[in-house]
Amino acid sequence: SQTIHQWPATLVQPVGSPLSLECTVEGTSNPNLYWYRQAAGRGLQLLFYSVGIGQISSEVPQNLSASRPQDRQFILSSKKLLLSDSGFYLCAWILSPWTGGYGYTFGSGTRLTVV
Amino acid sequence: AQKVTQAQTEISVVEKEDVTLDCVYETRDTTYYLFWYKQPPSGELVFLIRRNSFDEQNEISGRYSWNFQKSTSSFNFTITASQVVDSAVYFCALSEANAAGNKLTFGGGTRVLVKP
Repeated sequence: SQTIHQWPATLVQPVGSPLSLECTVEGTSNPNLYWYRQAAGRGLQLLFYSVGIGQISSEVPQNLSASRPQDRQFILSSKKLLLSDSGFYLCAWILSPWTGGYGYTFGSGTRLTVV
Repeated sequence: AQKVTQAQTEISVVEKEDVTLDCVYETRDTTYYLFWYKQPPSGELVFLIRRNSFDEQNEISGRYSWNFQKSTSSFNFTITASQVVDSAVYFCALSEANAAGNKLTFGGGTRVLVKP
């Protein structure tokens, strides 16, 4: 069966420090991968998505970047965190090509607080 | 571009009352998929239902029911006889079959508070 892992679960980082959040999927190959962010009390905003190794599409210009060094690994990074980067980060995946047969599966999320 | 609107930001009910969450969507694609997710206080997203654009049948699952109406671009969600455990944020979402990357776009969410 397929599973998705995200870590760490919580993170407190000072302003200006780097960030690396990792997401891995098991039990499948060539998934579409997504990074979402949820600011406190807000909705879910798509940050990046990837349809293959090394292929990254950015939805919102910001202080973050994403990489996909392996088929089932998706990394969210920042060189220097801002206070506005605080939020709940969720990774998700679907099979590719997706024919709509099922829902998107989300990881358990990383709660990032920038202080 | 795809868009999902959940006009209700917060709904408060007393246990055993019914509650209906509204969802209105916009899309130019003829093939698309609609979803509802539940986000309890712990934060994880729990998948509730998926509906494709060709299936307008309403669906009932226990105390949950969904009303999909293409004519009004709505996909509303009703919780019957609400319970305290239903307290959560509920998100409606849309994915277009032909959109690059099959992106999933969320509405702003509706917070449901069920009081005992």
